[in-house]
Amino acid sequence: EADIYQTPRYLVIGTGKKITLECSQTMGHDKMYWYQQDPGMELHLIHYSYGVNSTEKGDLSSESTVSRIRTEHFPLTLESARPSHTSQYLCASRVGGNTIYFGEGSWLTVV
Amino acid sequence: QKEVEQNSGPLSVPEGAIASLNCTYSDRGSQSFFWYRQYSGKSPELIMFIYSNGDKEDGRFTAQLNKASQYVSLLIRDSQPSDSATYLCAVIGEGSNYKLTFGKGTLLTVNP
Repeated sequence: EADIYQTPRYLVIGTGKKITLECSQTMGHDKMYWYQQDPGMELHLIHYSYGVNSTEKGDLSSESTVSRIRTEHFPLTLESARPSHTSQYLCASRVGGNTIYFGEGSWLTVV
Repeated sequence: QKEVEQNSGPLSVPEGAIASLNCTYSDRGSQSFFWYRQYSGKSPELIMFIYSNGDKEDGRFTAQLNKASQYVSLLIRDSQPSDSATYLCAVIGEGSNYKLTFGKGTLLTVNP
């Protein structure tokens, strides 16, 4: 399995605040992904990256942005959090072949 | 038409029974198929992947793929209460460049 680390695991933040969810892996994987999942609902791809300086929007429109300055890190940023952003955010990495593993997720609550 | 569809749950089976989970996909060119298990409040964990038509077995789990019918299934033999979770079918479509598309998931409950 891949070692994919997400921080913070849980975050409660006020409306209008800027937040960054961190995702990192130490194995040099090229492809990384961010999925969003509301409780009891399906996963939606919101961002992905094929390598350094390569980022693309996913299938679900999101107000978040991502960057990939280093292979190991794929942070997701919300410039101004709103209650509608309350959700679980899951980072994933392609380990090899077509095998994709997930980190433990970051639960975001915007109040 | 949704790209990946799973049989609507919830599915309830007694302990020791076989649980059968089904999934269909719309992209005929899809090449890679995955089953993930997700416990409530946790992230998905990969159970199995299958690329070729036929069956693939791993312990109590068997994945079955039929590309002609655009159908993939997961059988869980000797179901245990610890198997109670949501099972997610995921597909990498042709030309999708390694992007996983998930179904909505099927909630499985194994009753002791």
